[in-house]
Amino acid sequence: DTEVTQTPKHLVMGMTNKKSLKCEQHMGHRAMYWYKQKAKKPPELMFVYSYEKLSINESVPSRFSPECPNSSLLNLHLHALQPEDSALYLCASSQDLPTDTQYFGPGTRLTVL
Amino acid sequence: GEDVEQSLFLSVREGDSSVINCTYTDSSSTYLYWYKQEPGAGLQLLTYIFSNMDMKQDQRLTVLLNKKDKHLSLRIADTQTGDSAIYFCAEIFSGSARQLTFGSGTQLTVLP
Repeated sequence: DTEVTQTPKHLVMGMTNKKSLKCEQHMGHRAMYWYKQKAKKPPELMFVYSYEKLSINESVPSRFSPECPNSSLLNLHLHALQPEDSALYLCASSQDLPTDTQYFGPGTRLTVL
Repeated sequence: GEDVEQSLFLSVREGDSSVINCTYTDSSSTYLYWYKQEPGAGLQLLTYIFSNMDMKQDQRLTVLLNKKDKHLSLRIADTQTGDSAIYFCAEIFSGSARQLTFGSGTQLTVLP
């Protein structure tokens, strides 16, 4: 089973709202990732958690706040977003080595009004 | 720094073979990947090749790696309309600390 699940599939929010994106995997992977993808572009790495600790933050604005409550779950908390933050947000996971294959979820399509 | 390049578009007739090309600059790449993305969907891992291999075949997919020219290709045999998607080449290398470097993606259109 190489499944990563994400909820919700679609999210529309105003600039003053607070919302969260969720990601789950049950493959025993110890690294989890958040990517942002604009239309027709490759994914851009935002955050990496390794063994539930934040290991990479690619200079992401503080209106995006990641959380890794346990080894299977990854959240992305959103607050005071801008319209340019509208994108597909992808979660991925991999086993414990830095070069291990990353498996992606279906994504959450976020629209900020 | 590392860079991965792909052509943006490819059109083929149904039943023909498709060849999607990718070039990369980092000679210390460990793994090279092909991901498929259908409209509105996430990235589906198609196949990958370790940098000490020249070729990998998996059903209709053949990956060729030319390390000297830093060139990677994905051949899809008997291309079907369901193969229409964006195909991303990606690399990861030993010094990357888990960072995949993606190409720009190739939009494959399969014509009936």
